[in-house]
Amino acid sequence: AQSVTQPDIHITVSEGASLELRCNYSYGATPYLFWYVQSPGQGLQLLLKYFSGDTLVQGIKGFEAEFKRSQSSFNLRKPSVHWSDAAEYFCAVVGGGTYKYIFGTGTRLKVLA
Amino acid sequence: EPEVTQTPSHQVTQMGQEVILRCVPISNHLYFYWYRQILGQKVEFLVSFYNNEISEKSEIFDDQFSVERPDGSNFTLKIRSTKLEDSAMYFCASLDGTDNEQFFGPGTRLTVL
Repeated sequence: AQSVTQPDIHITVSEGASLELRCNYSYGATPYLFWYVQSPGQGLQLLLKYFSGDTLVQGIKGFEAEFKRSQSSFNLRKPSVHWSDAAEYFCAVVGGGTYKYIFGTGTRLKVLA
Repeated sequence: EPEVTQTPSHQVTQMGQEVILRCVPISNHLYFYWYRQILGQKVEFLVSFYNNEISEKSEIFDDQFSVERPDGSNFTLKIRSTKLEDSAMYFCASLDGTDNEQFFGPGTRLTVL
């Protein structure tokens, strides 16, 4: 069965520092992968997606992610974090013929001033 | 830009009462979904709906839950007799079927007292 693992429950970085959030997936075929961001009490905002092609994907708000098939990973990166990036980040993979999404458990990002 | 809408944004109900959560998917989309997010937890798949029938449901989606597309625009989730543990954010999503990107609504926060 498809699954998504986000190993880091909480991450704290200083404003201006670089960021990498990890995501590992388990899926037999070519995965369709997503990163979403959620502020407290709010909905899900799509940051970026990977369907095929170039393995380095650019998203909104200065985020990028790299698909590495050999490592079954789709890690999210940002070179310089802003205080407004503090939120919860979810990785997701499309699972099965009904195109349902399987979400990871999320990583809560805290940004220090 | 077309978007998925959900009403109400917040619903408070007493345990044992029936609730109906409403969604208006994007008009030319063919696949419809409900997801649930208990506070502080990950987003979980509930059910997918295609061609006027349920195409997949999770183990969470028991006999207390039902979905319906009563007309050409609305997609509803009914909980017949709410329990305290049904308190969560419920997200509706739709997909046009040409790729795998679902479009999420802003969510309905359900509070069961």
